[in-house]
Amino acid sequence: KAGVTQTPRYLIKTRGQQVTLSCSPISGHRSVSWYQQTPGQGLQFLFEYFSETQRNKGNFPGRFSGRQFSNSRSEMNVSTLELGDSALYLCASSYFAQNTEAFFGQGTRLTVV
Amino acid sequence: GQQLNQSPQSMFIQEGEDVSMNCTSSSIFNTWLWYKQDPGEGPVLLIALYKAGELTSNGRLTAQFGITRKDSFLNISASIPSDVGIYFCAGQPNFGNEKLTFGTGTRLTIIP
Repeated sequence: KAGVTQTPRYLIKTRGQQVTLSCSPISGHRSVSWYQQTPGQGLQFLFEYFSETQRNKGNFPGRFSGRQFSNSRSEMNVSTLELGDSALYLCASSYFAQNTEAFFGQGTRLTVV
Repeated sequence: GQQLNQSPQSMFIQEGEDVSMNCTSSSIFNTWLWYKQDPGEGPVLLIALYKAGELTSNGRLTAQFGITRKDSFLNISASIPSDVGIYFCAGQPNFGNEKLTFGTGTRLTIIP
């Protein structure tokens, strides 16, 4: 059974640009959550999608958005990138909502220059 | 956002030693999870706890869900080199907020 797949693994963008990250959950999992990980702030919750609906949202500005498709794949978009957006973005999938026993992907390392 | 207090922040031990780390919260959690993250990888789930007082083992790892539901502990016995990494606790609150809250991490280093 394939794990959670995130693409791309690495990205370098310039300030002001926008970026889209992709996450394919474990087959059969309908919940996908996104996290931002930085050395200073640790793992911060961005949002959770379940059956194409956003169920929960963290304390991030509106520049951070996401969506989930009917096949449970999810994308995360960050517009007007800032230097502080440089981070490891992790996606986690779980069978049920509420994110219990979430399984993480390897992450996308975003560097904003 | 809310974070769990995890300690110690880092540990330097010799191979074969036992390791203990803990996580505390000011509020109640109804689920505690422990993850390990290797450099450049996403966190991997080690143990999940669902009941106050529960003690669960996974090989050399043992975790406990505190009776007060405000803390959890992870022990690693007879550490080996592949135990190196960052260990995170995560909790799910009991007040209708469903998102996982993560601890600040414990970085484990094994001294040769």
